[in-house]
Amino acid sequence: NAGVTQTPKFQVLKTGQSMTLQCAQDMNHNSMYWYRQDPGMGLRLIYYSASEGTTDKGEVPNGYNVSRLNKREFSLRLESAAPSQTSVYFCASSSGQYREKLFFGSGTQLSVL
Amino acid sequence: AQTVTQSQPEMSVQEAETVTLSCTYDTSESDYYLFWYKQPPSRQMILVIRQEAYKQQNATENRFSVNFQKAAKSFSLKISDSQLGDAAMYFCAYLPGNTGKLIFGQGTTLQVKP
Repeated sequence: NAGVTQTPKFQVLKTGQSMTLQCAQDMNHNSMYWYRQDPGMGLRLIYYSASEGTTDKGEVPNGYNVSRLNKREFSLRLESAAPSQTSVYFCASSSGQYREKLFFGSGTQLSVL
Repeated sequence: AQTVTQSQPEMSVQEAETVTLSCTYDTSESDYYLFWYKQPPSRQMILVIRQEAYKQQNATENRFSVNFQKAAKSFSLKISDSQLGDAAMYFCAYLPGNTGKLIFGQGTTLQVKP
């Protein structure tokens, strides 16, 4: 029962470096999401994909790009990392009926120096 | 804009006692859903309870129950018989009925004292 798997779990970047956070789910879910969690601000939606082949911006999309590679995988890319992107990143998925709960990955702790 | 506010950054409760976490939200929608998620130190997000806005009856899940006041746009979580394992950060979240954009509050850290 893997559920939602995120890699890596920890990452340290220098300002200006790029990286891709990977996310995969094995529950045949249609919808996938990327959130960031910052102290005192809860979780904020970066991008989401309602179904394979579609993506849409969330609340804080600037500085990020996403790719819905197939139904299972949804990646988040930082092209030129900035210290303001230091955060914990969560991937989540749901069946796509919206009213159902989200299943979350265990998060990626990213530090940008 | 739709917002969710948790005004209590930190709360504490004695083991076996009852505690209530507050949440208010702002929306003009009539169709929506509300959730409470628990995040222990492991960072895993765990769904605690879910409420449909069209239901007047408050949701309950074992020791967890909500007080849903739709007119007041209030959605508080009551934890009865608190246990040490309940110590975590709790997030209130709002989901508009026609999108997948789950909106979270800032979170409340709950400490359970033995």
